[in-house]
Amino acid sequence: AQTVTQSQPEMSVQEAETVTLSCTYDTSESDYYLFWYKQPPSRQMILVIRQEAYKQQNATENRFSVNFQKAAKSFSLKISDSQLGDAAMYFCAYRSAGSNDMRFGAGTRLTVKP
Amino acid sequence: GAGVSQSPRYKVTKRGQDVALRCDPISGHVSLYWYRQALGQGPEFLTYFNYEAQQDKSGLPNDRFSAERPEGSISTLTIQRTEQRDSAMYRCASSLVPREKTQYFGPGTRLLVL
Repeated sequence: AQTVTQSQPEMSVQEAETVTLSCTYDTSESDYYLFWYKQPPSRQMILVIRQEAYKQQNATENRFSVNFQKAAKSFSLKISDSQLGDAAMYFCAYRSAGSNDMRFGAGTRLTVKP
Repeated sequence: GAGVSQSPRYKVTKRGQDVALRCDPISGHVSLYWYRQALGQGPEFLTYFNYEAQQDKSGLPNDRFSAERPEGSISTLTIQRTEQRDSAMYRCASSLVPREKTQYFGPGTRLLVL
């Protein structure tokens, strides 16, 4: 069974600085997708970034980028120039290309200090 | 619609009552998913539809939980004889086609069973 582990229950960053959130996963599949979702206090689930396992290039979306290490089964999220609006729970998620359900980690709560 | 909508946003019920939670996916999306998210955890898969056909219900915890999508659009998740342990956020997601890379989540229904 695939599992997703986020080892940092809470993280804190100073506004305008950079923070990295960690995620590891366990799978025997070769074709899969990885995601980071943001859950602000409103409890919406907002897609931040997506990575296809077959792509070697790390995905980037503006201030958000990932470090995807397939051999190590690691998928960390880097937030640059942190803003107060980045404060939220961040969930790492995995989905096999051949299945429909997503597996989520337990989340990391990010606090941004002004 | 512009996004996935769910209703009600909040539901408080007494133990033993039945509840029905509604999901309206993004217009034209074939696939619809239900997840449950306990406090402090990531979402867990419950069930999945393509059009009106329920393809996978392996995540439904027991036979008090059921879901339908009779016309291939709006879906209802029903919990019969609710118990306190059913209290959670229930999330719906949709995707344009089966196994599309990204699922788009609704705002969720927060259920509290007293």
